[in-house]
Amino acid sequence: GAGVSQSPSNKVTEKGKDVELRCDPISGHTALYWYRQSLGQGLEFLIYFQGNSAPDKSGLPSDRFSAERTGGSVSTLTIQRTQQEDSAVYLCASTSGRGNSPLHFGNGTRLTVT
Amino acid sequence: GQNIDQPTEMTATEGAIVQINCTYQTSGFNGLFWYQQHAGEAPTFLSYNVLDGLEEKGRFSSFLSRSKGYSYLLLKELQMKDSASYLCAVPSRGGYNKLIFGAGTRLAVHP
Repeated sequence: GAGVSQSPSNKVTEKGKDVELRCDPISGHTALYWYRQSLGQGLEFLIYFQGNSAPDKSGLPSDRFSAERTGGSVSTLTIQRTQQEDSAVYLCASTSGRGNSPLHFGNGTRLTVT
Repeated sequence: GQNIDQPTEMTATEGAIVQINCTYQTSGFNGLFWYQQHAGEAPTFLSYNVLDGLEEKGRFSSFLSRSKGYSYLLLKELQMKDSASYLCAVPSRGGYNKLIFGAGTRLAVHP
């Protein structure tokens, strides 16, 4: 597609439920990143994919968070047993993976845990 | 590790010039990015500096001094639509462009 697409744009869930967030990167982009942005805060790195593998998962806050990428394209971020502190905007970005090419971000998923 | 500092908020008047500063500490410098983020929207790429000096791109310019660990974004002829957050970011070590972001500077442009 023309840009990075994320769905849903908004998600409200009850504490303890699982959620899945989806990211469809720019076609041909091999590198994909998930970030989290809490209200008034900077972007916090979560995980990086090159192709289908995730060489850097260092930003995932706990083992309730996991992500996968299939076919070198779409990625899903799963949060199990959501907590109120998980409320944030989850942003996905992709790049061609060449040099320091800029990250192209999607509009994010605003997650609210009640 | 890496550390990035930016002012939290700035205000400016339409038509004026504003300079948003960013200081960073990083092991193994590999360039510095500026992004613009309007409220509720995705961050969008503005500029990338890897060498010292000023890079001009229309109304926006970005400056880098590697020896001082310092960058600034200069916005000229401010417009109301320039009201946004401006994010400074540097790649972490590892060679795969994992960006470490500052908390951002929220700029409010007034008539």
